[in-house]
Amino acid sequence: EPEVTQTPSHQVTQMGQEVILRCVPISNHLYFYWYRQILGQKVEFLVSFYNNEISEKSEIFDDQFSVERPDGSNFTLKIRSTKLEDSAMYFCASKADRGWDEQYFGPGTRLTVT
Amino acid sequence: SQQGEEDPQALSIQEGENATMNCSYKTSINNLQWYRQNSGRGLVHLILIRSNEREKHSGRLRVTLDTSKKSSSLLITASRAADTASYFCATVPPSGYSTLTFGKGTMLLVSP
Repeated sequence: EPEVTQTPSHQVTQMGQEVILRCVPISNHLYFYWYRQILGQKVEFLVSFYNNEISEKSEIFDDQFSVERPDGSNFTLKIRSTKLEDSAMYFCASKADRGWDEQYFGPGTRLTVT
Repeated sequence: SQQGEEDPQALSIQEGENATMNCSYKTSINNLQWYRQNSGRGLVHLILIRSNEREKHSGRLRVTLDTSKKSSSLLITASRAADTASYFCATVPPSGYSTLTFGKGTMLLVSP
């Protein structure tokens, strides 16, 4: 069964460093998302991406964040200068098309900022 | 912004018992979805119910939706130890965007 994959599973970085989290959505899906979950808290929406552009973003998704689909398979989330409060589990999700509501989530990348 | 809020926050039951989790939200929705998350893992989609539906079944899962009360419930019948996980409701707005807004979740523990 097709699945969303994410790498790395765990990333440790120092405050101020740039990190890139990678996702490979399901191959024929058209909508892509990033969510994050700070330990013990709810899952929060960051950004959605369709047709090679951001379609919606939350207040969390400030100028420190960017997303890219550099090729036909990868979908990346970049944090330019990490802060301690960026420590969280980051989930990528994809959706087949506009009329399909189910989002398929990857296993997540645990980001630890020290 | 709309929020899903589940209750109870934690639920502990024995295998074979039924588990009921509730979710309330604040604004209009297109649909409401339930997800499961095993400890430290990703989210698994369980079931979706649209705003014009009142009840839906999938295997041992039963979901109800009351849009007048802005609430939903997830019933897991004949629970198993493998059902131990956190369960989240997530709402999708009518706007056309499919952004999910999650609640805080209910942690379910099913003891053998």
